[in-house]
Amino acid sequence: DAGVIQSPRHEVTEMGQEVTLRCKPISGHNSLFWYRQTMMRGLELLIYFNNNVPIDDSGMPEDRFSAKMPNASFSTLKIQPSEPRDSAVYFCASSSYRITNNSPLHFGNGTRLTVT
Amino acid sequence: GENVEQHPSTLSVQEGDSAVIKCTYSDSASNYFPWYKQELGKGSQLIIDIRSNVGEKKDQRIAVTLNKTAKHFSLHITETQPEDSAVYFCAASISTGNQFYFGTGTSLTVIP
Repeated sequence: DAGVIQSPRHEVTEMGQEVTLRCKPISGHNSLFWYRQTMMRGLELLIYFNNNVPIDDSGMPEDRFSAKMPNASFSTLKIQPSEPRDSAVYFCASSSYRITNNSPLHFGNGTRLTVT
Repeated sequence: GENVEQHPSTLSVQEGDSAVIKCTYSDSASNYFPWYKQELGKGSQLIIDIRSNVGEKKDQRIAVTLNKTAKHFSLHITETQPEDSAVYFCAASISTGNQFYFGTGTSLTVIP
């Protein structure tokens, strides 16, 4: 299994530009999570999907952030317009969720976003 | 909601010594506790997990203990090696939900 695949690995953009981060979860997993990691705040959950449906987006900081999961094998996190304070590492994770028993998250290698 | 606290934030040990990282949680309904290791430039990798029906679990040099009454769980690494140097995160989760609550991480340095 290739694991969770994220692209790009690094993104440098100017303030005001649109940024799109991509994630391919592990095949067969039915839950997908987007996290943001900074030194100040640690790992913050932005949004998660079960069976392609957004369940909790309360962690999405502002309307500038949006996430989609059009099918079971692909998700995007978009920031429009981007701001310097959005600079962070963004992680995607997936799991095989069953209501009777948790399964662990599997993380991708992250996208390091720098907004100048 | 659940609140997970993790200590210490940084830890340095001599190679061969043991390392212990502790976490506490607030929601008694939490029943699944994974530990993750994050190496520089990589995503977090699951290293061990424990469920609330078990008090201790071991996997070679790594062990996790859980005290449900006190709501705390710990990671123990014995005979540490330089490749154990990384940031370690604890997490708590409830089986009927699908949210994971993470600690703030412990940066472990193993000095050769």
